[in-house]
Amino acid sequence: DAGVTQSPTHLIKTRGQQVTLRCSPKSGHDTVSWYQQALGQGPQFIFQYYEEEERQRGNFPDRFSGHQFPNYSSELNVNALLLGDSALYLCASSTRRTEAFFGQGTRLTVV
Amino acid sequence: SQQGEEDPQALSIQEGENATMNCSYKTSINNLQWYRQNSGRGLVHLILIRSNEREKHSGRLRVTLDTSKKSSSLLITASRAADTASYFCATDEGTYKYIFGTGTRLKVLA
Repeated sequence: DAGVTQSPTHLIKTRGQQVTLRCSPKSGHDTVSWYQQALGQGPQFIFQYYEEEERQRGNFPDRFSGHQFPNYSSELNVNALLLGDSALYLCASSTRRTEAFFGQGTRLTVV
Repeated sequence: SQQGEEDPQALSIQEGENATMNCSYKTSINNLQWYRQNSGRGLVHLILIRSNEREKHSGRLRVTLDTSKKSSSLLITASRAADTASYFCATDEGTYKYIFGTGTRLKVLA
C-alpha cells in the first residue's frame, strides 16, 4: 500500500501564475481533504471532496479550487498566486469511518 | 482559524525523560487526534480518542481527554532522540473536517 501520494514534492511559481497540485489517496479511501500549512503554523483546512463533489470548505478565497476524479484522486488548483500562498500543501485521505492519513505534502514557493 | 492551542509551544528534554504536551479546543467534538510532523513534511497519525473516551494508550503514548475542560494531553514516555518533531492535536466535530492546533515543537537531546 503506497499510502497517500502527492506530486510534485516542491514547486516554485511566480506571482500571478496558476498552479495545480495532485493527490492520490490511500487504497480504499474515498474522501480527500486539502490543507495549507504556513511556516510555523498548524495546517488549515481548505476543502474536502467526497463522491466527486466539494462537501466542505474552509475560509479560503475562490482562487482555490479543486476536483476529485472517479478513481478518488484529487487536484488542488490555485489561481493568481500571491506571495502569501507560499506554504506546505497537505492532502489527506480517509473514509467516513477512519482517521485521516496524510501525504508528504507539496512545498509551494511563490516568488 | 485554529481550533485551539498546544502548550507548551516548545519543549526540550533529555533522552529517557517523559514529555507531556497539552491541547485546548473551543467547540464540542466527535473525536480528537494527535499527529507528529518531522521537519515540515507530512503528518503521521499517532492516536485517536473519541469524545466518550477518557484515556487511551498506544505503545509509549498515553492520551487523555477531558471534554468538560475541552482539553487533551499527550504523554510520551521514555523519550528518544527520534521523537524530536512537532506534535499537533486535531479535532473533528463529526464532519470529517480536522481543525488543528498550533503545535508543540519537541526536542529530545541525546
